[in-house]
Amino acid sequence: DTEVTQTPKHLVMGMTNKKSLKCEQHMGHRAMYWYKQKAKKPPELMFVYSYEKLSINESVPSRFSPECPNSSLLNLHLHALQPEDSALYLCASSQGQGDTEAFFGQGTRLTVV
Amino acid sequence: GEDVEQSLFLSVREGDSSVINCTYTDSSSTYLYWYKQEPGAGLQLLTYIFSNMDMKQDQRLTVLLNKKDKHLSLRIADTQTGDSAIYFCADYPPFSGGYNKLIFGAGTRLAVHP
Repeated sequence: DTEVTQTPKHLVMGMTNKKSLKCEQHMGHRAMYWYKQKAKKPPELMFVYSYEKLSINESVPSRFSPECPNSSLLNLHLHALQPEDSALYLCASSQGQGDTEAFFGQGTRLTVV
Repeated sequence: GEDVEQSLFLSVREGDSSVINCTYTDSSSTYLYWYKQEPGAGLQLLTYIFSNMDMKQDQRLTVLLNKKDKHLSLRIADTQTGDSAIYFCADYPPFSGGYNKLIFGAGTRLAVHP
């Protein structure tokens, strides 16, 4: 099983809403990632978790709050987003440090209205 | 910082070979990747090459790496309509701390026509 599962696939939220994106993998990977991809642009790294601890935060605004409740799950909590935050949010996982392969989920298409 | 560049568009006839090119700036990069993204979908890892290799072949895919020129290419033999997608070149730079902190190129849109 080389699958990374993201839910929901699509999400529309207002600027005052609070919502969460979820990501799950059962490959025993110890590193998990959030990437943001704007339309017609490449993915850009937001956060890296390693062994359930936040290892990298790429200066992401605090309205995005990641959480790793266990080694299989990664959440991204969203609050007070702006329309420019509309994008495809991709989760990925890899074995851990030094691993060569990262596996991506299908993404959550987020629209902020 | 590290920069990865790709041409934005390639159109080929079905059955022909496609060659997608990529250049990168960090000469100490350890791994270079090719990902495929179909419309509305996530990223699919196609293949990767370690920096001490010149070539890697995997079925219809051939990756060539020229470290001197910092040039990477992906050749798809016998291109099919199902190959139509955006292809991202990605770099795994050494300052990543061991994580797959990938630096992506802008992506090349491959259009396959009959």
